[in-house]
Amino acid sequence: AQSVAQPEDQVNVAEGNPLTVKCTYSVSGNPYLFWYVQYPNRGLQFLLKYITGDNLVKGSYGFEAEFNKSQTSFHLKKPSALVSDSALYFCAVREGRGGKLIFGQGTELSVKP
Amino acid sequence: DGGITQSPKYLFRKEGQNVTLSCEQNLNHDAMYWYRQDPGQGLRLIYYSQIVNDFQKGDIAEGYSVSREKKESFPLTVTSAQKNPTAFYLCASSLQQGGWTEAFFGQGTRLTVV
Repeated sequence: AQSVAQPEDQVNVAEGNPLTVKCTYSVSGNPYLFWYVQYPNRGLQFLLKYITGDNLVKGSYGFEAEFNKSQTSFHLKKPSALVSDSALYFCAVREGRGGKLIFGQGTELSVKP
Repeated sequence: DGGITQSPKYLFRKEGQNVTLSCEQNLNHDAMYWYRQDPGQGLRLIYYSQIVNDFQKGDIAEGYSVSREKKESFPLTVTSAQKNPTAFYLCASSLQQGGWTEAFFGQGTRLTVV
């Protein structure tokens, strides 16, 4: 069965420093990978996705993610964090064309001035 | 503006009552989904629908029911059989079920049992 794990419940970063939010996945076929962000009491907003091709994917608000097939990882990154990046981040995976979209448990990102 | 709308934003339910959460989209998407969000547990899939008049159970369908009579609407009923309904409910839609298409989410409905 497909699954996705976010090993860190919380990540703390100082403003201006680089940030990484980790995600690992397990699927039997080719994965479709997604990152979403959620602000308090709001729905999820799509950030970026990996389907195929270049392992480094660029998305909204300066975020990027690196797909690593050998490590089955899809970590979210940003070179310079902003206080406004503080939110809950979700990684999601879909196995192939017909699979359900499965979410990780989320990582709370806190960026301090 | 195109988008996906959930209503109401807050909903209170008494013990033993059924309540219905509304989800409407004008994105012309074929697929629609309902997720439940609890603190520390991420999003769990309740039901999903690929086309009108068809839907499938997700991972936690017990105590919930849905209908898909129109392409743009996918209401969720939380029945009295759902023993712990207090949660944040999210509706989503995508161009098609599966594949590379990302899901678009509504703003959520927070349901509280009183």
